[in-house]
Amino acid sequence: GQQVMQIPQYQHVQEGEDFTTYCNSSTTLSNIQWYKQRPGGHPVFLIQLVKSGEVKKQKRLTFQFGEAKKNSSLHITATQTTDVGTYFCAGDGSSNTGKLIFGQGTTLQVKP
Amino acid sequence: GAGVSQTPSNKVTEKGKYVELRCDPISGHTALYWYRQSLGQGPEFLIYFQGTGAADDSGLPNDRFFAVRPEGSVSTLKIQRTERGDSAVYLCASRYPSFRTPGLRSTEAFFGQGTRLTVV
Repeated sequence: GQQVMQIPQYQHVQEGEDFTTYCNSSTTLSNIQWYKQRPGGHPVFLIQLVKSGEVKKQKRLTFQFGEAKKNSSLHITATQTTDVGTYFCAGDGSSNTGKLIFGQGTTLQVKP
Repeated sequence: GAGVSQTPSNKVTEKGKYVELRCDPISGHTALYWYRQSLGQGPEFLIYFQGTGAADDSGLPNDRFFAVRPEGSVSTLKIQRTERGDSAVYLCASRYPSFRTPGLRSTEAFFGQGTRLTVV
């Protein structure tokens, strides 16, 4: 079945440093979504990418969808303590049946 | 309600007992998902409903787990003969509109706060 993998599992950075998490799917995706979960909270939607090679930006966050629609990345420029949390990618399979599969997440810790 | 509501927020039960977890999705959301999340892990897909029917239940771990959504709104996840390994946070999510409509793009999933299940 469809699997979504994320690396790294954990990342500790100094405030101001950059951060990147990578997401890879075993199958082609119709779209990919990114979520953020703060400690003790629930996943909250950040963005959705649909087109091959698509790049979207939200302030210091840059999201990219691979050309083959099987991988994605999230890059944060100049991290802040408010960026702390776990970032998940989630994919809808290519048949767009509606089954949304999550990666295991990357937990970001930011040292002030 | 304004968001996805899950009850109870916490449930402690003895091994072997039966539990029901409830999810009240955002009004009008046709798709409803159940996930299980253990500490340090991502949400593990269990089942999703499109309307009243289970469109995909391939994530249910075994036949002790069952879920219903009889009227296409509220859903209940039922766990029989609970085991200590069932302890986790059970998350419910919903989204709209139906992505089965040709050409309609999928939308974001809205999560509830989860039910923390502890089997002792």
